Amino acid sequence: EIVLTQSPGTLSLSPGERATLSCRASQSVTSTKLAWYQQKPGQAPRLLIYGASSRATGIPDRFSGSGSGTDFTLTISRVEPEDFAVYYCQQYGSSPNTFGQGTKLEIK
Amino acid sequence: EVQLVQSGTEVKQIGESLKISCKGSGYNFARYWIGWVRQKPGKGPEWMGIIYPSDSDTRYSPSFQGQVTISADKSISTAYLQWSSLKASDTAIYYCARQVATAMSNFDYWGQGTLVTVSS
Repeated sequence: EIVLTQSPGTLSLSPGERATLSCRASQSVTSTKLAWYQQKPGQAPRLLIYGASSRATGIPDRFSGSGSGTDFTLTISRVEPEDFAVYYCQQYGSSPNTFGQGTKLEIK
Repeated sequence: EVQLVQSGTEVKQIGESLKISCKGSGYNFARYWIGWVRQKPGKGPEWMGIIYPSDSDTRYSPSFQGQVTISADKSISTAYLQWSSLKASDTAIYYCARQVATAMSNFDYWGQGTLVTVSS
């Protein structure tokens, strides 16, 4: 199965700063079938990005995704207070689908 | 509005059986794959498997094959996850989620989660 490694484990930023989150796959992800989810405490994950770079419905344009092959990035152009959460990547191009271990975005 | 509503918190003993549910509404339940995801405290989600309610085609992650059973009743728009003999290591939050299109798709809508606690 494809192992996804996210870095950093924790990212400490102030509101208004730019956030760059990385997701590296152990093998190439088929057809850029990679998604990003946001999870806040006590809540289910929420879809942000699919197909590596397409924003889900209702997701603000400060969120963007990029990458292909084995290296993918989620960028938040200017972090808002409501963006502090844990972010997970998921590949769904190879069975079984797998998730990364997460990056926690915390207030500095 | 698409909604997935899961059954409530469960507290069970080791060796007991359990079946939790996920009821969909606001869309054609039979025509979308429904998946189950396990999440242990402080850990990333784990994809367990999916089912296509229209014909009950089911796919499992190798890590969960033989450990759980996924089923669905399209007549009542409900998917199920069941265990025949719970272990302490099954303690986790379990989410159901709808896959966007094919069996190889991301999830777009999620249930609220069911906390399962297994103790001795």
